[in-house]
Amino acid sequence: EDQVTQSPEALRLQEGESSSLNCSYTVSGLRGLFWYRQDPGKGPEFLFTLYSAGEEKEKERLKATLTKKESFLHITAPKPEDSATYLCAVQGATNAGKSTFGDGTTLTVKP
Amino acid sequence: DVKVTQSSRYLVKRTGEKVFLECVQDMDHENMFWYRQDPGLGLRLIYFSYDVKMKEKGDIPEGYSVSREKKERFSLILESASTNQTSMYLCASRRILDTEAFFGQGTRLTVV
Repeated sequence: EDQVTQSPEALRLQEGESSSLNCSYTVSGLRGLFWYRQDPGKGPEFLFTLYSAGEEKEKERLKATLTKKESFLHITAPKPEDSATYLCAVQGATNAGKSTFGDGTTLTVKP
Repeated sequence: DVKVTQSSRYLVKRTGEKVFLECVQDMDHENMFWYRQDPGLGLRLIYFSYDVKMKEKGDIPEGYSVSREKKERFSLILESASTNQTSMYLCASRRILDTEAFFGQGTRLTVV
């Protein structure tokens, strides 16, 4: 059974204080690892897809990396508008289209 | 801009009512999903559909059914609403199963 564990559950940063969110996973045949951002009361919004170990993707202050066991979402010099819950999900080869989601990391960036 | 639209942002229904949640996508995606999201339990898959008139049970299908008569529309039906079905419901679609999902804005359902 595919599993995704995200840590920490919550992270409070000062504006400009860089940090990383972790997504540890076990999956049978990784087809893709996905990062989403979710604002309160809204649906998740897609950020990145990573397909193989060593791959990296960047968008503004966010950078996602992937190894065979975990993915990191690095946030450089965050701003208050980066405050949200960040979800990680994996798509395995054997679970017929069902992505497995982690419980998310809630990031709060204080000005 | 791709779009997944859910018919209601907020719904209040009475116990025992039959409830319909509608979802429409404009991306011509084959795959559509219904999730519910509860604090501390994360996103849980209720049903998904990989083609018109096709459906597969997710992890928590009990008390729900779905309908997909057209490619762009996927409906979630609560046959007899109960208070433990109070939740945020999220619809999503994907082109193929190793690409990203696009989510709707969510429906906050309260059953009283």
